Amino acid sequence: ETGVTQTPRHLVMGMTNKKSLKCEQHLGHNAMYWYKQSAKKPLELMFVYNFKEQTENNSVPSRFSPECPNSSHLFLHLHTLQPEDSALYLCASSQAGSGYEQYFGPGTRLTVT
Amino acid sequence: QKEVEQDPGPLSVPEGAIVSLNCTYSNSAFQYFMWYRQYSRKGPELLMYTYSSGNKEDGRFTAQVDKSSKYISLFIRDSQPSDSATYLCAMSADAGNMLTFGGGTRLMVKP
Repeated sequence: ETGVTQTPRHLVMGMTNKKSLKCEQHLGHNAMYWYKQSAKKPLELMFVYNFKEQTENNSVPSRFSPECPNSSHLFLHLHTLQPEDSALYLCASSQAGSGYEQYFGPGTRLTVT
Repeated sequence: QKEVEQDPGPLSVPEGAIVSLNCTYSNSAFQYFMWYRQYSRKGPELLMYTYSSGNKEDGRFTAQVDKSSKYISLFIRDSQPSDSATYLCAMSADAGNMLTFGGGTRLMVKP
């Protein structure tokens, strides 16, 4: 158990649906991250939040909308996704300023049909 | 050219072998070097991190960084079937939030 939980673990959605991914960290960290992991590609950083403020948006399409209500929770709101968005979405956390020590959740396996 | 290169494998070794996993990189600004292990259907798990050049040992695992060659390695001694996983290297230029990952090497340790 890494101390970072993600729900749901699996999600199948149509291209016109709206869904949200949830991440919660129990490590007392104050930085949280969303990553996308696709087959045969390196982990891609999507968003970074430090102390609830978004500090990085790695040119992510607007159909992905993050939300960080507090330092322990992170959401990724999804709408009008494309089949190429099917991937494993990973949440991670760290102490701000210690990004070299990130702890990951188990991920949400997303399939867009 | 990718910023971080990692042979995808798979690398298959017998139990008890010494395993060498490697990454090369092109950005000379990288100062922090991490190794993650990812089991199937799980998130990556941080194994160890190293700052700048040198070696770091933790049990059966040894991380080496050669900044002059832009080359990092992870050695696993007395490999076990439970070490079968994908190993990801990651790097950053500072202690902040931006990590650049390699694509991962899949390791299989056969009993």
